[in-house]
Amino acid sequence: SQQGEEDPQALSIQEGENATMNCSYKTSINNLQWYRQNSGRGLVHLILIRSNEREKHSGRLRVTLDTSKKSSSLLITASRAADTASYFCATDSETSYDKVIFGPGTSLSVIP
Amino acid sequence: SAVISQKPSRDICQRGTSLTIQCQVDSQVTMMFWYRQQPGQSLTLIATANQGSEATYESGFVIDKFPISRPNLTFSTLTVSNMSPEDSSIYLCSAQDTGELFFGEGSRLTVL
Repeated sequence: SQQGEEDPQALSIQEGENATMNCSYKTSINNLQWYRQNSGRGLVHLILIRSNEREKHSGRLRVTLDTSKKSSSLLITASRAADTASYFCATDSETSYDKVIFGPGTSLSVIP
Repeated sequence: SAVISQKPSRDICQRGTSLTIQCQVDSQVTMMFWYRQQPGQSLTLIATANQGSEATYESGFVIDKFPISRPNLTFSTLTVSNMSPEDSSIYLCSAQDTGELFFGEGSRLTVL
């Protein structure tokens, strides 16, 4: 069953702008992960944030987690054309912390 | 982080045939999973590949259609049986390492 829901479904920005994607989920989680998928390729793991963490950074990426609102956001600063991809949030399954369930994803287009 | 090799990377198959996808991880991992990604969609968990025992399937997926083997902690196979055009998808193997989920490049199957 699907845990996470991302919005927006699609986002188009100019190179250099910031991109923000949001993810909401339904039940309590151990951790939340963000992934990137370039067209037709495998998934690249970006960041894992644990339920007791509120914010995490990795290069131009910033992830926040609000467990009270059951939501997370991924911010990409100073976007580049190479950031064009689909971004997915993934959470523990409602039935098992061992399984990871993906949201529908946000398609990001960065226009040069 | 675990490095995952998957083969074949792509194949074109005839209706009614079966194809086995192989997944090799470069280190021993406890959890391995198989996902399906239909065109334009997110990832859907097919099953958890359990070492030394039968795989655990998600709702909507059955062993007769998607038999899975996991003979050791670094290798798994997924067979897509009696294929139909609706089985045309990307099939992705993943392994969990320290809470993070890593993916192979996927196997893109087209069924004619």
